[in-house]
Amino acid sequence: DTGVSQDPRHKITKRGQNVTFRCDPISEHNRLYWYRQTLGQGPEFLTYFQNEAQLEKSRLLSDRFSAERPKGSFSTLEIQRTEQGDSAMYLCASTTYNEKLFFGSGTQLSVL
Amino acid sequence: TQLLEQSPQFLSIQEGENLTVYCNSSSVFSSLQWYRQEPGEGPVLLVTVVTGGEVKKLKRLTFQFGDARKDSSLHITAAQPGDTGLYLCAGVSIQKLVFGTGTRLLVSP
Repeated sequence: DTGVSQDPRHKITKRGQNVTFRCDPISEHNRLYWYRQTLGQGPEFLTYFQNEAQLEKSRLLSDRFSAERPKGSFSTLEIQRTEQGDSAMYLCASTTYNEKLFFGSGTQLSVL
Repeated sequence: TQLLEQSPQFLSIQEGENLTVYCNSSSVFSSLQWYRQEPGEGPVLLVTVVTGGEVKKLKRLTFQFGDARKDSSLHITAAQPGDTGLYLCAGVSIQKLVFGTGTRLLVSP
């Protein structure tokens, strides 16, 4: 399978704990995006990378959120001191320069 | 802030009926995309429209981009249960997508 891969698919955590998600994009794609989606709503942009450079971060991304793409390949999204409002589906997508995004299946986060 | 409002939010119809979903914004986009998303999966791109007034057809789905490139519509003819899902429009804006609020479609046999 050469699609976008996200791990884990599901994560249940207690409020205050830290969580980290991983995204492996399609290998030749230089852009990688993170979105957050709540039930029945459209995805909200969080941040994106071009190669290893983080080019834009949404105002939605509080200082508890950090994302990295250290070698321009896979990316991680960490949420520190999770809150119940962080419960959502976290989607990763990758593309080349043509804005046709390929999405992974997402990581469903539940904060208890 | 760029917002894309979709209507209706939810649509429940019988197999064989026709339907139209609308996507409206006060902002101009260089292009607009439509995605379909099934539960537990990421969105999958259906089509990209670029030119104002453009119409694209994908089997029973017809997509139109407004003349002013601020709005779009998706028309489905003779809907089938396999069309069930969350339909999302997305405007292309400075190297990222801005997604609409979504329309959840349920087609019953």
